[in-house]
Amino acid sequence: DVKVTQSSRYLVKRTGEKVFLECVQDMDHENMFWYRQDPGLGLRLIYFSYDVKMKEKGDIPEGYSVSREKKERFSLILESASTNQTSMYLCASSSPPKGTEAFFGQGTRLTVV
Amino acid sequence: AQTVTQSQPEMSVQEAETVTLSCTYDTSESDYYLFWYKQPPSRQMILVIRQEAYKQQNATENRFSVNFQKAAKSFSLKISDSQLGDAAMYFCAYRRYGGATNKLIFGTGTLLAVQP
Repeated sequence: DVKVTQSSRYLVKRTGEKVFLECVQDMDHENMFWYRQDPGLGLRLIYFSYDVKMKEKGDIPEGYSVSREKKERFSLILESASTNQTSMYLCASSSPPKGTEAFFGQGTRLTVV
Repeated sequence: AQTVTQSQPEMSVQEAETVTLSCTYDTSESDYYLFWYKQPPSRQMILVIRQEAYKQQNATENRFSVNFQKAAKSFSLKISDSQLGDAAMYFCAYRRYGGATNKLIFGTGTLLAVQP
């Protein structure tokens, strides 16, 4: 059974803190993604990685960075958390070109106070 | 840039009835994939159905089927014999064909309520 695991389901952090959201997949997928989900806005891509140490900005990268040191792990970093980063964060992975489907983690609901 | 539009923020259907969720998209590509994902209250995104643009036949998965109109850039999801477990947020998504770095582009979602 394929699996994408996010380290936390719920997280509460203070403004200005450095926040790490971790995602691990066990499918040997090349591509990994971080999305942000907000009501009425759908899923917006923050960053994606197509190989170890390779990354590309998505649609809303401001205030975020990522790290992919190993194929199975993709981390999203909020350098200095702000209240407007309170949101649901979803990690996904896929394996082009054969696999078109993306598999998702269970989401992390982050609240910045 | 490709975009995906879901114009129905919320829909409601009676149990055992049929409901259709709408999706339109904009692209200049000729080859691509379209998807419907379901997100129940558990938040786990689940693939419902997939359509390859080069296939004229509409995809079907049990009670779920699509009406793919390539010229109109329309991709609607029909749920037949609706069940209480179908209540969820449904997202339409687009992915360009081929390439190693293609990403999924999502619509804003439709929240489906199923009334007993």
